[in-house]
Amino acid sequence: DTAVSQTPKYLVTQMGNDKSIKCEQNLGHDTMYWYKQDSKKFLKIMFSYNNKELIINETVPNRFSPKSPDKAHLNLHINSLELGDSAVYFCASSQVGQFIYEQYFGPGTRLTVT
Amino acid sequence: QKEVEQNSGPLSVPEGAIASLNCTYSDRGSQSFFWYRQYSGKSPELIMFIYSNGDKEDGRFTAQLNKASQYVSLLIRDSQPSDSATYLCAVGTDMRFGAGTRLTVKP
Repeated sequence: DTAVSQTPKYLVTQMGNDKSIKCEQNLGHDTMYWYKQDSKKFLKIMFSYNNKELIINETVPNRFSPKSPDKAHLNLHINSLELGDSAVYFCASSQVGQFIYEQYFGPGTRLTVT
Repeated sequence: QKEVEQNSGPLSVPEGAIASLNCTYSDRGSQSFFWYRQYSGKSPELIMFIYSNGDKEDGRFTAQLNKASQYVSLLIRDSQPSDSATYLCAVGTDMRFGAGTRLTVKP
């Protein structure tokens, strides 16, 4: 019973390519997130969607475009991949009310750009 | 710029000791505070969340929140080698993470 799932788990591609990472949650949460964890292990939020609406859009290159077809899915599309995009990308979900209630992470997608 | 600061460590404690991990934050309006544990190569795993000033205990873990001083801490009692991991603090509705503190518990 995977709560937050991501595909693929590993992604190796060449510079200049376009790739997508998919995320799905079956927890019934209303908010989903994308994080990037670099080689120094710093976990940085990229985007957050609440009920399919973008609510956080950190300063990331516009080559990164999130898409939320419904509350349970948040995909990340990356155009013109660069070496610096190599990292682990985590999807997460939570229920947001007066507070943010527990946030759960997916297993991560390790992206390697060569 | 909202910031979350943690001592990157590494923090080393002997087995059975109390490990104390600290986190400070800059956004005084923050109301949600989380501690995550991340083993190498794995995703962050939620340990504790706290919203109110004071202490919150769950088994060997205690989270302490002091909004006036803008810090949140995590105490791990009776530390075990299996507690060796990186501990991440996250703050606020936009879930900003600190850089993490690497904890090693030595047998």
